[in-house]
Amino acid sequence: GAGVSQSPSNKVTEKGKDVELRCDPISGHTALYWYRQSLGQGLEFLIYFQGNSAPDKSGLPSDRFSAERTGGSVSTLTIQRTQQEDSAVYLCASPGLTNTGELFFGEGSRLTVL
Amino acid sequence: DAKTTQPPSMDCAEGRAANLPCNHSTISGNEYVYWYRQIHSQGPQYIIHGLKNNETNEMASLIITEDRKSSTLILPHATLRDTAVYYCIVRVGVGSTLGRLYFGRGTQLTVWP
Repeated sequence: GAGVSQSPSNKVTEKGKDVELRCDPISGHTALYWYRQSLGQGLEFLIYFQGNSAPDKSGLPSDRFSAERTGGSVSTLTIQRTQQEDSAVYLCASPGLTNTGELFFGEGSRLTVL
Repeated sequence: DAKTTQPPSMDCAEGRAANLPCNHSTISGNEYVYWYRQIHSQGPQYIIHGLKNNETNEMASLIITEDRKSSTLILPHATLRDTAVYYCIVRVGVGSTLGRLYFGRGTQLTVWP
């Protein structure tokens, strides 16, 4: 696609439920990043994909968080047994086609855990 | 981890130049300086980047000191829509394997009428 698409844009869930967040990055580029941003805070790195593998997933805050990427394109971030502290905006980013290092971000998925 | 230091907040009058400083004293020779901004409730937006020469595009200018230990992002004629958090990032860039970006806390720029 022309840009980075994320879905859902908003998700409200109850504590203990599982959620899946989807990212559809810019076509043709192999790198993909997930970040999250809690209210009033900076961007927190979660995981980085190169193709279908994740050379750096050190930012995932607990084993309740996992992410996968298939076909070198769409990525899914899964949070199991959600907690209230998981409430945040989850942002996905991928490089552009010019390969000059800049990242293009989606609008994010706002997760609220009640 | 952020490798950069920025003032937490600045303000600027509409129509005037906004000069946003960034210190990156431990920058490596192959690291670029990138600037992003995040307008409230939106994803971060790329602005400009540079290695050692000054750069200009339609959004801003980037001035990098000769020793590369600091830089300044210049918005030549700030508008109310430039109110945002501005992030300065150093990273290995162009053409290389990309890795984690550290965004730090950034500078909240407020443009007032």
